[in-house]
Amino acid sequence: AQKVTQAQTEISVVEKEDVTLDCVYETRDTTYYLFWYKQPPSGELVFLIRRNSFDEQNEISGRYSWNFQKSTSSFNFTITASQVVDSAVYFCALSNNNDMRFGAGTRLTVKP
Amino acid sequence: KAGVTQTPRYLIKTRGQQVTLSCSPISGHRSVSWYQQTPGQGLQFLFEYFSETQRNKGNFPGRFSGRQFSNSRSEMNVSTLELGDSALYLCASSWDRRTYEQYFGPGTRLTVT
Repeated sequence: AQKVTQAQTEISVVEKEDVTLDCVYETRDTTYYLFWYKQPPSGELVFLIRRNSFDEQNEISGRYSWNFQKSTSSFNFTITASQVVDSAVYFCALSNNNDMRFGAGTRLTVKP
Repeated sequence: KAGVTQTPRYLIKTRGQQVTLSCSPISGHRSVSWYQQTPGQGLQFLFEYFSETQRNKGNFPGRFSGRQFSNSRSEMNVSTLELGDSALYLCASSWDRRTYEQYFGPGTRLTVT
C-alpha cells in the first residue's frame, strides 16, 4: 500500500525566513506521480507542482523549490524568504493507477 | 475558464438520512475524484470517475457511492448517514487523476446530527 508521511505537523517562522517542508513516501510502483498542494485559510486546495517518478530534476519557481530524491523516497518543498501570504496547510500527495494518497499536511504559519 | 463548482456548499442532515452532493468539473476534464477531509483522518480518497466509469475506489463502505454523467458532471451519494460522516467533501477534476494535477472545488461541508 502507498503511504505519504509529512512528519512536521506545524511550523512557525518569521517573515523572510526560509522553510523546508518534508515529505517521505512509500510505494512499490516504479511509475508514480508526486504532487504538492496548498490549502490556504479560504479552504480551496491549490496545485503547486507535479513530478513523475522518472524525473528527479529539482525545480525552482520563484521563491518555491522542490527537491525530489528517489534514493531516500523524499520530495521536499522549500520556501525561500517566506511571506505572510504563504501561511497555509501544505499537502504532499502520491498517485498511481489505483490510488491517491495525501500526507497529513503541514500547517505553516508565517508571522510578520 | 470556470473552476470546479460544488453544490450545496453546506448541508445539515440527521443520522439515517441520505445525501447527494454535486460536482461540475472544469470543461474538458473527464476525470472527477471525490475526497473526504476530516481533522482526524485528513484527506482520504473516496473514488474516481473517468468517462462515466468508476475507475478507482478508496477504502470506504458501500454507503458511499457516486456516478458521472456524459457531460462529466458527477454526484456523490451517502446513504444511512452516520455521525462520523460529518466532513468536508471535496471534488477534484483533472485530465487524468493518475498523471495530471487536480483542480479542487470549494467543498461541501456536511454536518450529521
